[in-house]
Amino acid sequence: EAGVVQSPRYKIIEKKQPVAFWCNPISGHNTLYWYLQNLGQGPELLIRYENEEAVDDSQLPKDRFSAERLKGVDSTLKIQPAELGDSAVYLCASSLVLGKEQFFGPGTRLTVL
Amino acid sequence: GQQVMQIPQYQHVQEGEDFTTYCNSSTTLSNIQWYKQRPGGHPVFLIQLVKSGEVKKQKRLTFQFGEAKKNSSLHITATQTTDVGTYFCAGADSWGKFQFGAGTQVVVTP
Repeated sequence: EAGVVQSPRYKIIEKKQPVAFWCNPISGHNTLYWYLQNLGQGPELLIRYENEEAVDDSQLPKDRFSAERLKGVDSTLKIQPAELGDSAVYLCASSLVLGKEQFFGPGTRLTVL
Repeated sequence: GQQVMQIPQYQHVQEGEDFTTYCNSSTTLSNIQWYKQRPGGHPVFLIQLVKSGEVKKQKRLTFQFGEAKKNSSLHITATQTTDVGTYFCAGADSWGKFQFGAGTQVVVTP
């Protein structure tokens, strides 16, 4: 069984440019998470989906971040425009249902210059 | 809001020694999960504790959930070089929202 797939693995952009990250969760997993992880810190939740519905986006900076999960399967996280402080690893995770073990993807390491 | 604290932040261990890392929440948790992240890798699920006072073992790893469901610990016996990494706890509130701690980075000296 394939794990959580994320692309790209690495992205370098200049500030004020847009960027998008893609995540394909494990097949059949209803819950999808987007996390941000800074160096030396734990993952911080940005948004959580139950199927195609965003049920927790309280931590998502909505002035520049947006996300979607069309058809309740794969998901895209977008930043526009990117700022220097957005440099981090963006992790996608999925779980079969809410509250169960989370399977993380390899992450996208974003560098904003 | 809910805060999850982990101590220590760093743990240097001689190979073969035991150590314990702790996780404390400001609020009562519904359940707690533990993850391990190897250098350059992503978090990998280790275990989930749900019941008050629950203790679970995985080979040399022992996980405990406090009676008040506000704290948890991970004890590793006879540390090996394969134990290197950062261990995170993630506490869940009654709505199923998880808050990760900052992690304990473990370095093992042969």
